Amino acid sequence: GEDVEQSLFLSVREGDSSVINCTYTDSSSTYLYWYKQEPGAGLQLLTYIFSNMDMKQDQRLTVLLNKKDKHLSLRIADTQTGDSAIYFCAESIGSSNTGKLIFGQGTTLQVKP
Amino acid sequence: NAGVTQTPKFRILKIGQSMTLQCAQDMNHNYMYWYRQDPGMGLKLIYYSVGAGITDKGEVPNGYNVSRSTTEYFPLRLELAAPSQTSVYFCASSYSPSSYNEQFFGPGTRLTVL
Repeated sequence: GEDVEQSLFLSVREGDSSVINCTYTDSSSTYLYWYKQEPGAGLQLLTYIFSNMDMKQDQRLTVLLNKKDKHLSLRIADTQTGDSAIYFCAESIGSSNTGKLIFGQGTTLQVKP
Repeated sequence: NAGVTQTPKFRILKIGQSMTLQCAQDMNHNYMYWYRQDPGMGLKLIYYSVGAGITDKGEVPNGYNVSRSTTEYFPLRLELAAPSQTSVYFCASSYSPSSYNEQFFGPGTRLTVL
């Protein structure tokens, strides 16, 4: 079945770049998403990429998609302490018309001052 | 718009008790979802609904029930609570499932079963 895998933890220093990686299994996914969860809150959509794109840039965020390897990454430039959160990768289930998403386990990003 | 709201924020249940987790959205979204989040496990889909009167099982439906009598509300019922149901529960909604599907999440309900 569909599965999304992420590493669980990443620690960086303020001002450095952060790269969070994700692998997915459903090659028919139309969109892939990155959600951010701050402590004690629900998830919020951070950015997304359409499956026919290789890269998408949005201010400090860069999303890279390698469809051949089913690998997605999120790069945060100039990481700030406010970026400390859990980041979830999610894929849409390509064969479904229910809007269901499969989420990874989440990567906890710790930003040290 | 309030978005997606959930009540209560926290709850402690004893084994065998029942409760209903409330979820409401004011965005006129057809699609609604219930997830549970366990540490290091990501989000698992419990139930979802594609419109009023239509519900279906997700990945982990056992021990739960849902109803969707209106577009706005999507309550999740726990019957005979068990310690394995200790988790954080999130409700989400989306406008349409076709291609781009941003799900909007509520703040969550933290449930402990002792």
